[in-house]
Amino acid sequence: EAGVAQSPRYKIIEKRQSVAFWCNPISGHATLYWYQQILGQGPKLLIQFQNNGVVDDSQLPKDRFSAERLKGVDSTLKIQPAKLEDSAVYLCASSHGTSEQFFGPGTRLTVL
Amino acid sequence: QKEVEQNSGPLSVPEGAIASLNCTYSDRGSQSFFWYRQYSGKSPELIMSIYSNGDKEDGRFTAQLNKASQYVSLLIRDSQPSDSATYLCAYSGAGSYQLTFGKGTKLSVIP
Repeated sequence: EAGVAQSPRYKIIEKRQSVAFWCNPISGHATLYWYQQILGQGPKLLIQFQNNGVVDDSQLPKDRFSAERLKGVDSTLKIQPAKLEDSAVYLCASSHGTSEQFFGPGTRLTVL
Repeated sequence: QKEVEQNSGPLSVPEGAIASLNCTYSDRGSQSFFWYRQYSGKSPELIMSIYSNGDKEDGRFTAQLNKASQYVSLLIRDSQPSDSATYLCAYSGAGSYQLTFGKGTKLSVIP
């Protein structure tokens, strides 16, 4: 069974630029999560989708971050404009009917 | 506010010893508990889940849960250098699949 796929793996941008990350969950997993992990910290949930609906986006900085999962499968997370403090690893995870979440390899974002 | 507390370490143990990792949580409504292993530069990997009080064993790993004390632990027997990683404790609350993570404990197994 293929795992969670993410791209790109690495991204370097200047502050105030925009960036987008893509995630493809494990086949059949209805629930998809985006996390932000800053160095030395645990992952912090940004947004949770159930199929193509948002379950919780209370910790998503909506002035600059947006996410969508239009067809209930793939998802994109966008940052516009990026700030220095957005430098982190962005992790996508998925689950099927439980809290057991499986993570993709992540995208390491560096904002200069 | 939901919190998960872990000793950040590093925790150093000799090869072959038992490594003991501890975690406390603040949300009394927590239902499910997880341990993830994260190697440097890699993403978290689920290694144990535990849902009821007591012990759960899987190979060299044993998870222990005490809901009354709001405490969960992970024991790694016969520690190997390949166990050197950061171990993240996480939990989900009733009716939710969301996970709240601790900051992780860095484990170093010394050959």
